[in-house]
Amino acid sequence: KAGVTQTPRYLIKTRGQQVTLSCSPISGHRSVSWYQQTPGQGLQFLFEYFSETQRNKGNFPGRFSGRQFSNSRSEMNVSTLELGDSALYLCASGPGQGNTEAFFGQGTRLTVV
Amino acid sequence: DAKTTQPPSMDCAEGRAANLPCNHSTISGNEYVYWYRQIHSQGPQYIIHGLKNNETNEMASLIITEDRKSSTLILPHATLRDTAVYYCIVHSNDYKLSFGAGTTVTVRA
Repeated sequence: KAGVTQTPRYLIKTRGQQVTLSCSPISGHRSVSWYQQTPGQGLQFLFEYFSETQRNKGNFPGRFSGRQFSNSRSEMNVSTLELGDSALYLCASGPGQGNTEAFFGQGTRLTVV
Repeated sequence: DAKTTQPPSMDCAEGRAANLPCNHSTISGNEYVYWYRQIHSQGPQYIIHGLKNNETNEMASLIITEDRKSSTLILPHATLRDTAVYYCIVHSNDYKLSFGAGTTVTVRA
């Protein structure tokens, strides 16, 4: 069974630009969550989508947004990039309906210059 | 989700057991204890989880105290590849995990 796939693995963007990251969950999983990891703040929850609807949201500005498609694939978008947005962005998938483990992708390393 | 407290770091000798403690004194009845680990710059990897009873799988054992306010993850025979940050998380779902700082485990030859 294929794992969670995130693309691209690495990305370099300039301040002010926008970026779109992609996450393909494990087949059959309907929940996709996104996390930001920085050295200073650790792993922080961004938002979660379940059956194409945003179900949970973390404490991030509106520049961070996402969506989920009917095949459960998810994208997150960051607009007007700032230097502080440089981070490892991780997505995790799961059934989304109870107590089970989350399966993480390898992440996208975003560098804003 | 309940908060957890873990020591920031610990060393372990290769081949020996590593015992990683975690305090979760505010855990509620429907919350499970989960352990994940993250090897440098990779995505977190699930290790084990439990509710009340002790659990064992091919990677580790989880010992949960009777009052459920603390737990211990045991890596029975640590190898160099077990060097990672280990996160103890208490949650009742799989889609909104609250990660703390974790314990940085260094296995030494």
